[in-house]
Formats: sequence, structure tokens, C-alpha cells
Amino acid sequence: DAGITQSPRHKVTETGTPVTLRCHQTENHRYMYWYRQDPGHGLRLIHYSYGVKDTDKGEVSDGYSVSRSKTEDFLLTLESATSSQTSVYFCAASTGENIQYFGAGTRLSVL
Amino acid sequence: GESVGLHLPTLSVQEGDNSIINCAYSNSASDYFIWYKQESGKGPQFIIDIRSNMDKRQGQRVTVLLNKTVKHLSLQIAATQPGDSAVYFCAERQGAQKLVFGQGTRLTINP
Repeated sequence: DAGITQSPRHKVTETGTPVTLRCHQTENHRYMYWYRQDPGHGLRLIHYSYGVKDTDKGEVSDGYSVSRSKTEDFLLTLESATSSQTSVYFCAASTGENIQYFGAGTRLSVL
Repeated sequence: GESVGLHLPTLSVQEGDNSIINCAYSNSASDYFIWYKQESGKGPQFIIDIRSNMDKRQGQRVTVLLNKTVKHLSLQIAATQPGDSAVYFCAERQGAQKLVFGQGTRLTINP
């Protein structure tokens, strides 16, 4: 997992509730990413960060927000979870040399 | 928009044979490509990468070939082993520090 820890690993929640997923890295990578993985869609970028307090939207950012107050932590928040956000979420980090290193994933079910 | 795709969603090979996983890309300006392996229940793991100024790059039992003329990328795995069973993703760099992933090919090994 290249020093990348995601928590929780599994979560079940109800529609309309807020959810925060955490990604923690120990390698001092500058760049961090949140992806979702769904059958037939591969990995799709939600948001990414290029430094502390510097974030930008990805391909599927609607309904998600992120925050990065420290180099090592990147949080993904679903303000009001919907069933369409049921997915497996992956965090990744990189130094900027193109190779992204991934965490083990968080499986989120929104009922 | 531009996208990365795969010719086959599944590939089945005999143990000991060579595996070839293909990937087509549509952005002729792409200058960097990468292959990941994802085992069940785990995050994607980096296998090998290649820049557009190269046609071939070799790693341990793996080779990536890039044909810019037809915008085609392939991953060759020599002497396929049971541990090679996984989903393999190609990705291309899009913009600064962002990757666009294909949908993946599932490789299964027959004993």
C-alpha cells in the first residue's frame, strides 16, 4: 500500500447522511487523489490535491468535497450521501513523477 | 472527450504461457502511459510505465510496447503464473499529474 492508509475500510450508511473518508500517507507525497471504482467505469477521478489547502475537481466531483489541512491527510466528504455514491473509493498519492501509489480502498454502501 | 480503452475485457491463458493485454488510446498528444495490476480486494499496484519517446520498456517478466502510429499500448507478461491473476489497467497522463484509466482487463490463469 506504499504507506497509504484508508479508513474506514468498509462503511454502510443511509441516504442523506454525511460521510467522511480519510486517507493518510507517510511518504510526504505532494499530490493526493480520490477515485471511485465502479463496474464498467474503471477508476474515475473525483478530486485531487497538489499541496496543502490546494485542491481541484476531477471528472466526477459533483456531490463530493475534499480537504487537505496537512500533507499527510486528504479527506473526502459526501455531504449528503445518495445511493449513486455506493462504490469503492481509492486514495492515491504521488511525488509528481507520474506514478501514483494507491491505498487498499474503502467500500461504501449507501442504503 | 479523449479516453483510454481496452480491446478485451477478459483474457484466459494457460499457466506458463505468455500473456498479452492490449490497450488503445485516442489522444495522440499523450506522452506518458502506465500499467497497473489490481488483485481482488486490493488497490491498484504499479507495474511498469513508458514515455512516448520510447517504443519498448522491460521489467521483471513484463514488457510494455507502445505503437504511437496506431495509438496502441500492450503489456506482455512472460511465463504467466497463478499469481498474475488480476485485473490490469492501462492509464495515460492527462494534464499535469492526472491519469485517465481504462476499464481494465481481467486475466485468468488456467492450470
